Amino acid sequence: EVQLVQSGAEVKKPGESLMISCKGSGYTFTSYYIGWARQMPGKGLEWMGIVYPGDSETRYSPSFQGQVIISADKSISTAYLQWRSLKASDTGIYYCARQPTIYVQTYFDLWGRGTLVTVSS
Amino acid sequence: DTQMTQSPSSLSASVGDRVTFTCRASQTISTYLNWYQHKPGKAPKLLIYAVSNLHSGVPSRFSGSGSGTDFTLTISSLQPDDFATYYCQQGYKIPYSFGQGTKLESK
Repeated sequence: EVQLVQSGAEVKKPGESLMISCKGSGYTFTSYYIGWARQMPGKGLEWMGIVYPGDSETRYSPSFQGQVIISADKSISTAYLQWRSLKASDTGIYYCARQPTIYVQTYFDLWGRGTLVTVSS
Repeated sequence: DTQMTQSPSSLSASVGDRVTFTCRASQTISTYLNWYQHKPGKAPKLLIYAVSNLHSGVPSRFSGSGSGTDFTLTISSLQPDDFATYYCQQGYKIPYSFGQGTKLESK
């Protein structure tokens, strides 16, 4: 089955670090980009950035550049979203999604079920 | 960045109704416009890509149109499974921004 499986919910304190993951299966992981989107409580989707597992090329939204790190390990078909120092405003659901290309087929055709991140003192 | 504005923000309709959602881009995005359906607690689903192309497995009651800056998603005959939030997204230029969503509720 073609799927993206995300890591489980996290509860963290402000200032702590965190890495969540997204494992692809059922397809050639290095042939697609993996993107991340945030949904803050009661809000819509926000595009955060994207990584190409084949060569780890990354692109970020200016809103998230410097706030998170997106990476991938092609040897285990897994993409990551990382924070070095969490803030309460990072609370939300984070979705990973697959994108065929970065120039023409610029849509997310497969999504993970989301990882809930709660940051609270 | 390209801003995507959806209208209305919410919509009430009944099963069998024809429903139309609107999405406007702050600058031209050619035909790089996608639509997603999202239900609470579930993964979003791609419905339509590149304005009018139905993603695999999506019912034919969904259709899309538009170009440049103005786009629409239409459900020809609303089914019970269609109540959800719908997002447009531009895929023209990074960041590939989403609209704020239109919540479709049962009347």
